[in-house]
Amino acid sequence: DTGVSQDPRHKITKRGQNVTFRCDPISEHNRLYWYRQTLGQGPEFLTYFQNEAQLEKSRLLSDRFSAERPKGSFSTLEIQRTEQGDSAMYLCASSAGTVNQPQHFGDGTRLSIL
Amino acid sequence: AQSVTQLGSHVSVSEGALVLLRCNYSSSVPPYLFWYVQYPNQGLQLLLKYTSAATLVKGINGFEAEFKKSETSFHLTKPSAHMSDAAEYFCAVSPDSWGKLQFGAGTQVVVTP
Repeated sequence: DTGVSQDPRHKITKRGQNVTFRCDPISEHNRLYWYRQTLGQGPEFLTYFQNEAQLEKSRLLSDRFSAERPKGSFSTLEIQRTEQGDSAMYLCASSAGTVNQPQHFGDGTRLSIL
Repeated sequence: AQSVTQLGSHVSVSEGALVLLRCNYSSSVPPYLFWYVQYPNQGLQLLLKYTSAATLVKGINGFEAEFKKSETSFHLTKPSAHMSDAAEYFCAVSPDSWGKLQFGAGTQVVVTP
């Protein structure tokens, strides 16, 4: 169990640029979640996958956001035409997807928009 | 709809003193409840979870929480605070054990010598 891995840890970009984050879940975890955390707040749910299927998306996930999990293993979260309000910590979590199995979180990707 | 409310955004405790963090939930169905801890620039680490097996739940690092349905509460306690307990703590609710989590706003714990 190597834990949930996220890359990069930090991303600084100019407004209007596109960014992509990667999440590698714990192996054999079939559920994968993305959350966004702004300063001083708790994480907010964005979306989740059961294997490669994206089962739910929050209304926080505007058209500029897209997430994929093509082979049911790692996932990517892309933000197009970034805005100042996108500055946040983006957290990924995974779980075994069976009863009583909690979500395990990665250390997150901190996005700063200049 | 489900939600959690954490009372107190900041708590200061003396080393060795009781830690008490409050969480109240609203849920139309029996909830799954969790406490997570977050250290600076890190992700969230699970402290403990309530899944209806027992109302008093013991977690890691000496923490425990009691589920009280009549009060819709799931408060977190630790008998004796350590300096290493300084962190932010989040209460979360889920309609099932593998669904999305709804987090509270968090409580920042400061431990003073």
